[in-house]
Amino acid sequence: NAGVTQTPKFRVLKTGQSMTLLCAQDMNHEYMYWYRQDPGMGLRLIHYSVGEGTTAKGEVPDGYNVSRLKKQNFLLGLESAAPSQTSVYFCASTGSWNYQPQHFGDGTRLSIL
Amino acid sequence: SQQGEEDPQALSIQEGENATMNCSYKTSINNLQWYRQNSGRGLVHLILIRSNEREKHSGRLRVTLDTSKKSSSLLITASRAADTASYFCATDASYGGATNKLIFGTGTLLAVQP
Repeated sequence: NAGVTQTPKFRVLKTGQSMTLLCAQDMNHEYMYWYRQDPGMGLRLIHYSVGEGTTAKGEVPDGYNVSRLKKQNFLLGLESAAPSQTSVYFCASTGSWNYQPQHFGDGTRLSIL
Repeated sequence: SQQGEEDPQALSIQEGENATMNCSYKTSINNLQWYRQNSGRGLVHLILIRSNEREKHSGRLRVTLDTSKKSSSLLITASRAADTASYFCATDASYGGATNKLIFGTGTLLAVQP
């Protein structure tokens, strides 16, 4: 059982480049989330989805876009990368009923030069 | 902004000792959760406590919740070197599973010396 899988694991970009981070879960979860983790700041929610075809903004959505075309996948896009987006990105998923823990991937380490 | 603040930021203890971490939050919650993060890995769920619960146990873990003070504590008893990790509290203020969104604290880095 793979759980939550994130690809790629590492990436280096130049300022202005674009890229897409992929998150896939095999637990049939309705809800999925993208976070960024910066030193000393814990995790901050970027965007989330409560079902296939739906997305919503989190705490720090600027500079990012997301899509949830299939229930098992949640994509995070950076259209024009900036050095401030250097971070570790985590994807998580959970069920739609109350009192559910989130299941996390191992992260994507992204550096923008 | 972060919902939770954790105290201490870092904690170093000897194997066999107990470790206590505290979390404070700002708004009313549906539940509070604790997660562990080993270096270079994703977060792993440890325990969830509902807003109407005051204490919960899971193995060597004990969590308390005081909603009047908007605070929680995580106690790890008889610590082991393998418990070395960062620990985060996270609050869910959503109603009845509507979003299950979490707001994370800044974490406590625990080092257990063998």
